[in-house]
Amino acid sequence: GESVGLHLPTLSVQEGDNSIINCAYSNSASDYFIWYKQESGKGPQFIIDIRSNMDKRQGQRVTVLLNKTVKHLSLQIAATQPGDSAVYFCGRNTDKLIFGTGTRLQVFP
Amino acid sequence: DAGVIQSPRHEVTEMGQEVTLRCKPISGHNSLFWYRQTMMRGLELLIYFNNNVPIDDSGMPEDRFSAKMPNASFSTLKIQPSEPRDSAVYFCASSLTATYRTEAFFGQGTRLTVV
Repeated sequence: GESVGLHLPTLSVQEGDNSIINCAYSNSASDYFIWYKQESGKGPQFIIDIRSNMDKRQGQRVTVLLNKTVKHLSLQIAATQPGDSAVYFCGRNTDKLIFGTGTRLQVFP
Repeated sequence: DAGVIQSPRHEVTEMGQEVTLRCKPISGHNSLFWYRQTMMRGLELLIYFNNNVPIDDSGMPEDRFSAKMPNASFSTLKIQPSEPRDSAVYFCASSLTATYRTEAFFGQGTRLTVV
């Protein structure tokens, strides 16, 4: 099938800790896997993508890991800040972008 | 650039009424997407256009939904007749290409409530 799902609906972390948000996918026919962030009352915002022939990609404070063997994708946020509080969506694309249901990240002091 | 602009931000209508949602993509972007977001189903792609031409409308739930893009700077999503189950937040997004090798930019969304 063409599903992208997430393991946990809510993740709570303490400010300064690292966050890891996980995502599983079932269809391997994707050129890119993508992470988006959605803050309350706003539209989703692109964070980072990773091509399907890569295992890891790093951005500013974020790292995405792709394990094609187990069809698993993760987003790691270093030194999580209150501004990171949002819903995070993984997605995949071939000719169109499909999103998972999202994980809500809560950052507490 | 002001980003993707959607209107209205909120819409409350009675069941059976026609609803029209509007979107102005970012100037120069050649792909436009309509999504629907609900708690139960998450973000669903309804339809996308490339160079004003509908490419994939397989996500449109039923014939009550229609979308048009008469020019590069304007698109509409119409629901006629509307039903309570259509209540959701509808997002429009645009990008430079159809295949997401560049990021897509989302509007603020239209929150539709059908009573």
